[in-house]
Amino acid sequence: KQEVTQIPAALSVPEGENLVLNCSFTDSAIYNLQWFRQDPGKGLTSLLLIQSSQREQTSGRLNASLDKSSGRSTLYIAASQPGDSATYLCAVSGVTGGGNKLTFGTGTQLKVEL
Amino acid sequence: NAGVTQTPKFQVLKTGQSMTLQCAQDMNHEYMSWYRQDPGMGLRLIHYSVGAGITDQGEVPNGYNVSRSTTEDFPLRLLSAAPSQTSVYFCASSNRNQPQHFGDGTRLSIL
Repeated sequence: KQEVTQIPAALSVPEGENLVLNCSFTDSAIYNLQWFRQDPGKGLTSLLLIQSSQREQTSGRLNASLDKSSGRSTLYIAASQPGDSATYLCAVSGVTGGGNKLTFGTGTQLKVEL
Repeated sequence: NAGVTQTPKFQVLKTGQSMTLQCAQDMNHEYMSWYRQDPGMGLRLIHYSVGAGITDQGEVPNGYNVSRSTTEDFPLRLLSAAPSQTSVYFCASSNRNQPQHFGDGTRLSIL
């Protein structure tokens, strides 16, 4: 059974700092890996999707890497802003279901302070 | 473009009652899923669908039924509500190997 772990569970940083969120998974037979953002009381917003054959994806200040063989992914946030405060969730999809069956980690709660 | 719409946003039920959580998407996505989110446990997949008329079980399907008669709609039915089903329920949709789009959730309390 796939298990996804995210470390740390919570993180508080000053504005402007670069930071890294970590995600690990136990079964390397994945279809893709996705990073989401969740604001309090809201649904999830997709940030980046990395196909199993890719090593990284970038969107603006965000960069996600994938090392499938070691079962690890990182989300790098450059020049953090207070608006980045949210919970960040990592999810992997199995090889069946067309990338639709996600297993989630429990998230990293990020607070960016002024 | 509404995206993924879930109704109701909040609901309180008594143990043993039944209800249907509604989910509709207007993006012509072929894949739809239901997840529940509980504190400390993350999101867990309940049921999913890879197209109209095709559904399958996820990790925690017991006590829930689904059907997919149209591409747009994927309702989740609670047959006989139990306190353990108190949770926040999210519906998601996507195309194959594309990012999933989530609704804003239904917060369900069962007394």
